[in-house]
Amino acid sequence: DGGITQSPKYLFRKEGQNVTLSCEQNLNHDAMYWYRQDPGQGLRLIYYSQIVNDFQKGDIAEGYSVSREKKESFPLTVTSAQKNPTAFYLCASSSTPGTDSYEQYFGPGTRLTVT
Amino acid sequence: AQRVTQPEKLLSVFKGAPVELKCNYSYSGSPELFWYVQYSRQRLQLLLRHISRESIKGFTADLNKGETSFHLKKPFAQEEDSAMYYCALSGSGYSTLTFGKGTMLLVSP
Repeated sequence: DGGITQSPKYLFRKEGQNVTLSCEQNLNHDAMYWYRQDPGQGLRLIYYSQIVNDFQKGDIAEGYSVSREKKESFPLTVTSAQKNPTAFYLCASSSTPGTDSYEQYFGPGTRLTVT
Repeated sequence: AQRVTQPEKLLSVFKGAPVELKCNYSYSGSPELFWYVQYSRQRLQLLLRHISRESIKGFTADLNKGETSFHLKKPFAQEEDSAMYYCALSGSGYSTLTFGKGTMLLVSP
């Protein structure tokens, strides 16, 4: 079950601390995405990146930051400014527009608990 | 703005019964519609997309532009179909996916 990996699976932090979630893919995909999954809320897009060194805010970017220095990696930092950081975070990747598929491939997720 | 609505949070059926998971969307252009599925302790994965017009695991979905719907159907539900199902929409050109809130399907023996 390779392709896209997220670490760690579970993460615990104290309130007020920044925390960085890892996402790596070996699918040679240009585009990568971060979602937050809450019960009853579905998936909500936090940030996405279509190409290295470029990224855009999604629907709920406040309190989060990202970087895209390498094609394979798209780490997400949950800052202390995020009011409700406890959630399940999903990373995904997809091929570029104009190719056969916009199918997004998802990682296994990281469950972040902030107390 | 694009929006996806899945009106049912939970759908419970018996094995062998027909199942229909509803999805309605709002988008002014020509959308691309998808169904994603998340089985217990597995990753979210693509089930089917409307432009493929294929049947996956016995599921089909037809895009109805007049009713702006993309309902997922299966004539005879199986226990292994129990999962969370998400309908998703992508706008024309390059666009991110907009997901519905999901419907949990429970198939009882």
